[in-house]
Amino acid sequence: NAGVMQNPRHLVRRRGQEARLRCSPMKGHSHVYWYRQLPEEGLKFMVYLQKENIIDESGMPKERFSAEFPKEGPSILRIQQVVRGDSAAYFCASSPGLEGNQPQHFGDGTRLSIL
Amino acid sequence: DQQVKQNSPSLSVQEGRISILNCDYTNSMFDYFLWYKKYPAEGPTFLISISSIKDKNEDGRFTVFLNKSAKHLSLHIVPSQPGDSAVYFCAASALTNAGKSTFGDGTTLTVKP
Repeated sequence: NAGVMQNPRHLVRRRGQEARLRCSPMKGHSHVYWYRQLPEEGLKFMVYLQKENIIDESGMPKERFSAEFPKEGPSILRIQQVVRGDSAAYFCASSPGLEGNQPQHFGDGTRLSIL
Repeated sequence: DQQVKQNSPSLSVQEGRISILNCDYTNSMFDYFLWYKKYPAEGPTFLISISSIKDKNEDGRFTVFLNKSAKHLSLHIVPSQPGDSAVYFCAASALTNAGKSTFGDGTTLTVKP
């Protein structure tokens, strides 16, 4: 069952280190979305990418955060110089196309803990 | 400014009874609404959706109602089962916004045996 795969499932970093979160979309899906869920909150949109293009990054913090979806390989969410406030669950979702009536398929998330 | 709101953080119902989860939105440009279900330590999974041109969509035990004039939608689960216990997220999207979904904060449903 080739669903959306995220790794690692859990990631622990010390303040100031870099965190790299990976997401492989479902087979045949070319659209990837990243969401962040803080404790007791809902899913907050971060960024929407297609292969080699960032379509909408309106939810990304202006500094330290970046995302890519290269022609080959998984999508990467990169957080530089992590701080305690970056501790959250990060979910990746994919869909086959642009239409709003196509539900997104989610991975099981990466739980990032900052010491 | 939260465009999709789920005002009830939690809901508890007895097995076999109806569960009604509510969602309000403010953006009249939304033209598609979805409900997702999430178990602990897992990602959300799609449950049911409705287009803004409809007022009801039914799939087995799950029915979503949309009241566009009130900018309100609800998810009905009947009969409720203990396995329905999860967090339910309401989401909305606009075709003009490249498929990006805006999520509510979720409602935790507990179905008691």
